[in-house]
Amino acid sequence: AQSVTQLDSQVPVFEEAPVELRCNYSSSVSVYLFWYVQYPNQGLQLLLKYLSGSTLVKGINGFEAEFNKSQTSFHLRKPSVHISDTAEYFCAVTEGPTGGFKTIFGAGTRLFVKA
Amino acid sequence: NAGVTQTPKFQVLKTGQSMTLQCAQDMNHNSMYWYRQDPGMGLRLIYYSASEGTTDKGEVPNGYNVSRLNKREFSLRLESAAPSQTSVYFCASSTVGQSSYNSPLHFGNGTRLTVT
Repeated sequence: AQSVTQLDSQVPVFEEAPVELRCNYSSSVSVYLFWYVQYPNQGLQLLLKYLSGSTLVKGINGFEAEFNKSQTSFHLRKPSVHISDTAEYFCAVTEGPTGGFKTIFGAGTRLFVKA
Repeated sequence: NAGVTQTPKFQVLKTGQSMTLQCAQDMNHNSMYWYRQDPGMGLRLIYYSASEGTTDKGEVPNGYNVSRLNKREFSLRLESAAPSQTSVYFCASSTVGQSSYNSPLHFGNGTRLTVT
């Protein structure tokens, strides 16, 4: 069965500092990887997704993520954060047909950007 | 450009009452999902429907039923609400399985349910 672990429940960081939000997954079948962002009182929005090929994926708002198959990780990074990046971030995996196309989410990481 | 529409936005129920959460999408997606979001637990999959006419259990199906009424609509029913079902419920849809496996989910804005 697949599972997604986000290693930090909260990450405080100062504005303009770099940040990394960590995500590890486990699955016995091929998976497809995503990061979503949720602003207060809203639904989730796609930040970026992993496509086969390049292990470095660029998303919206200056975020990027690196897929590491050997470590089964998909960490999210941004070189310089803004106050407006304060939100909750979710890592997610979708299994292919043998997994029934289910998408499973991690518990989320709250990013607090301080002035 | 409605996307995924959920109703109602808020609901308060007493223990034992029943209700149905409605979800509709206008993007011609095959797959639809119901999640619940609780603090510190992320989103947990309740039920999903990979295509019209099929439904399957997710991680936390107990106490819920679903109906995939047609391609557009996927409803979630609580037959006898319990305080443990107090949560924010999200409906989502996707083209995963139709065209590619890395299609993202498109979410509604959620329903805040309180069971007293």
